[in-house]
Amino acid sequence: GAGVSQSPRYKVTKRGQDVTLRCDPISSHATLYWYQQALGQGPEFLTYFNYEAQPDKSGLPSDRFSAERPEGSISTLTIQRTEQRDSAMYRCASSLGGVETQYFGPGTRLLVL
Amino acid sequence: AQSVTQLDSHVSVSEGTPVLLRCNYSSSYSPSLFWYVQHPNKGLQLLLKYTSAATLVKGINGFEAEFKKSETSFHLTKPSAHMSDAAEYFCVVSDLPGSSNTGKLIFGQGTTLQVKP
Repeated sequence: GAGVSQSPRYKVTKRGQDVTLRCDPISSHATLYWYQQALGQGPEFLTYFNYEAQPDKSGLPSDRFSAERPEGSISTLTIQRTEQRDSAMYRCASSLGGVETQYFGPGTRLLVL
Repeated sequence: AQSVTQLDSHVSVSEGTPVLLRCNYSSSYSPSLFWYVQHPNKGLQLLLKYTSAATLVKGINGFEAEFKKSETSFHLTKPSAHMSDAAEYFCVVSDLPGSSNTGKLIFGQGTTLQVKP
């Protein structure tokens, strides 16, 4: 596509529910990143994919967080048993790889009540 | 480990006056540095990037930044602020690509730029 898209744009859920966020990267981009941005903070790295491989998931805050990119294109980030502290903006970015520019999507704002 | 520190959380300028947003970095390597801008309810947009070519980097919308290794700084400047420049600005360093590095971006805390008429 023309740019990175994310859905939903906003998600309100109750504590304990599972949520799945979706990222559709720029079609030619091999590398896809997930970041979490708390209110008033800069984004923080969660995990990344190189095609379908997930070489680094060191930024995932707990085992309730998981991500996949099964066909090397669209990616999903799933948070199980959500907690209020999971409330944040979740940003996806894609790039050609290496130090190439990362292009960000509009983000998904998650609110856990 | 790589890190960046943005020295001001808030900067306020009058329209038509110069803008200076300060950033210091820490890196064991020759870093790749970026400035991103975030307008309200919009995604992050790349303003400019430094990847060890010219030390003075020109970006979009009249912004530029100078890489100063001796000062470990990468300050963002613009000669004349416009109302549309009001936004949050992030200084960013990239983890190096390679077998043990990811190319992930490490963001500063952000600087909110206010432009007064």
